[in-house]
Amino acid sequence: SQTIHQWPATLVQPVGSPLSLECTVEGTSNPNLYWYRQAAGRGLQLLFYSVGIGQISSEVPQNLSASRPQDRQFILSSKKLLLSDSGFYLCAWSVLRGGETQYFGPGTRLLVL
Amino acid sequence: AQTVTQSQPEMSVQEAETVTLSCTYDTSESDYYLFWYKQPPSRQMILVIRQEAYKQQNATENRFSVNFQKAAKSFSLKISDSQLGDAAMYFCAYIYNNDMRFGAGTRLTVKP
Repeated sequence: SQTIHQWPATLVQPVGSPLSLECTVEGTSNPNLYWYRQAAGRGLQLLFYSVGIGQISSEVPQNLSASRPQDRQFILSSKKLLLSDSGFYLCAWSVLRGGETQYFGPGTRLLVL
Repeated sequence: AQTVTQSQPEMSVQEAETVTLSCTYDTSESDYYLFWYKQPPSRQMILVIRQEAYKQQNATENRFSVNFQKAAKSFSLKISDSQLGDAAMYFCAYIYNNDMRFGAGTRLTVKP
C-alpha cells in the first residue's frame, strides 16, 4: 500500500532563516506531488505541484520554492522565512492523471518567530 | 478562476441524527471532480467521498452520500446516523487537471 511521509512534524524558525521541508511517498511510481499551505482556521492553498522529476509548477508567487530531485521526493524550501510563512504545510500525492484523488501526508506545523 | 464556497462555517448535529453540509463551486469546465475531505484535530486530511462530474449518479460511501447538482454547481454532503467520531472540519474541493481548490471548511460538532 502507498504511504506518504513528511518531516519534520513541527518546526519553529526565526524570521530570515532558511527552510527545508521534505515529503516522500512509498509504494507507488511516477506520482503527481503537491504542496499545500493551510493558515489557521482556513482551507488549503495549493503552492506547487509536480508531474515528474525536475518539473515544478507554481501556483502562488512567494518566497517559497519546491524541488523534486527524485521520483518520490518533494522538497519545499525558502532562503529567508517571513512571519507570514507560518502555517500548516501538507504534502499530497495522486496517480499521474489529472482529477484523481489526492492523498495527504500528516503535515508540518511551521511557526516563524 | 475556479472557486469553492462553503457557506456554513459551523454546524452541529445530535448523535444518530442526519446533517447536510453545503458546497457550491464555480467553473466553466464540464469534466471535473469533486471531493469531500475530513480534517480531525490531528489535521490529517482524510478523503470522505469523491464524485466525477460526468456521472449523474450521486456517490455514496456507507453513511456518507452526496447530492450533486451539476447545473446548479452544488455538491452537498449528507452524513447519516452521525457518530461522535464524525466531529471534524469538512472541506469541499474541486479539481480540474492538477489544480485542486478547497472551500474554507465547515466545522461539524456532534452532540452526545
